[in-house]
Amino acid sequence: NAGVTQTPKFRVLKTGQSMTLLCAQDMNHEYMYWYRQDPGMGLRLIHYSVGEGTTAKGEVPDGYNVSRLKKQNFLLGLESAAPSQTSVYFCASSTRLETQYFGPGTRLLVL
Amino acid sequence: SQQGEEDPQALSIQEGENATMNCSYKTSINNLQWYRQNSGRGLVHLILIRSNEREKHSGRLRVTLDTSKKSSSLLITASRAADTASYFCATENSGNTPLVFGKGTRLSVIA
Repeated sequence: NAGVTQTPKFRVLKTGQSMTLLCAQDMNHEYMYWYRQDPGMGLRLIHYSVGEGTTAKGEVPDGYNVSRLKKQNFLLGLESAAPSQTSVYFCASSTRLETQYFGPGTRLLVL
Repeated sequence: SQQGEEDPQALSIQEGENATMNCSYKTSINNLQWYRQNSGRGLVHLILIRSNEREKHSGRLRVTLDTSKKSSSLLITASRAADTASYFCATENSGNTPLVFGKGTRLSVIA
């Protein structure tokens, strides 16, 4: 099993550009999450999903959109990237609101 | 907003010593979890302790939970250089909401 995978691993964007981060899990988990991690800030929840076709806002949802069209995939979109969105993005999944399994992260630099 | 607050923010010890990290939180919880993050990697789940438990062990890890003080501690015994990482507590709050992570403790174990 690959667990949780994230694509891409690293990306550089210019301000105003858009992109989509892909998260995939092969553990048949219902719940999936997107976090961002900034120095000294810990992990902050952006959006999450409790099942296929459902999404909900987390602590810092502004500037991001998500979609969960398939149970195994959770996409995070940035419509118009800003330098403040420079961060490391982590995806995670879980069977319910307990132990989460994390992907390796995506480093995003917005110039 | 972050629920758990780890203390200290950073800790440096010699190999073989014990490392103790603390986590305080504000609201009622269903469970509290500890995660580890090696530099540049995703988080890895270490241990979960439920609100009706007071102590739990896993290998060299010992976790305690004091719900009256709203605090938890993680003890790593006989530390090794490979234990060098950041450690995060996360709380599952009563109310069916996703985990809330603290800002973490950076542990350095010097060989």
